[in-house]
Amino acid sequence: GAGVSQSPSNKVTEKGKDVELRCDPISGHTALYWYRQSLGQGLEFLIYFQGNSAPDKSGLPSDRFSAERTGGSVSTLTIQRTQQEDSAVYLCASSFDRYEQYFGPGTRLTVT
Amino acid sequence: GESVGLHLPTLSVQEGDNSIINCAYSNSASDYFIWYKQESGKGPQFIIDIRSNMDKRQGQRVTVLLNKTVKHLSLQIAATQPGDSAVYFCAESRNFGTGTSLTVIP
Repeated sequence: GAGVSQSPSNKVTEKGKDVELRCDPISGHTALYWYRQSLGQGLEFLIYFQGNSAPDKSGLPSDRFSAERTGGSVSTLTIQRTQQEDSAVYLCASSFDRYEQYFGPGTRLTVT
Repeated sequence: GESVGLHLPTLSVQEGDNSIINCAYSNSASDYFIWYKQESGKGPQFIIDIRSNMDKRQGQRVTVLLNKTVKHLSLQIAATQPGDSAVYFCAESRNFGTGTSLTVIP
């Protein structure tokens, strides 16, 4: 079946602009995660959605970052007033409950 | 707070040898761990998982060992192949370690 998809695959934006990154999880998966991965680094947890519960936003680095998940499916990560340090690969994953996560290919964000 | 870390950032092995990648965790209440493999330009992929009521779990060419006493787990890859070259992460829930980069020398 279809895996997790993310769009766009690459995004180049100017400093100060807002960006939206999209994630389409695997159908039926109740949990959705966003991570950030800088070059050669590990995964930095950003936000976690589980069913209808309030999202765990504890990993969001600043109030410029926000995410929503509509209808328990598609999620959008929004970064406002982008900064150069926001440049990274943004990974989305989904899972059934708290079990293994299935990752999308990521969106590579470059802020110039 | 909770953390998951890895002992070595890089590991080089000869093709055909066995590889061992180690991971330490700090939360003694952790009850479920997963190993992921990330190839260049791709998202991480699930390899194998283990629950805290187990000490060992085997997959195809991979074995995960869990030592709850010292809060340590390891991933063993048998007969390492060039296709095993990747970054390996251990994870507890949404806490990922920094990864070990495995390079297989032909």
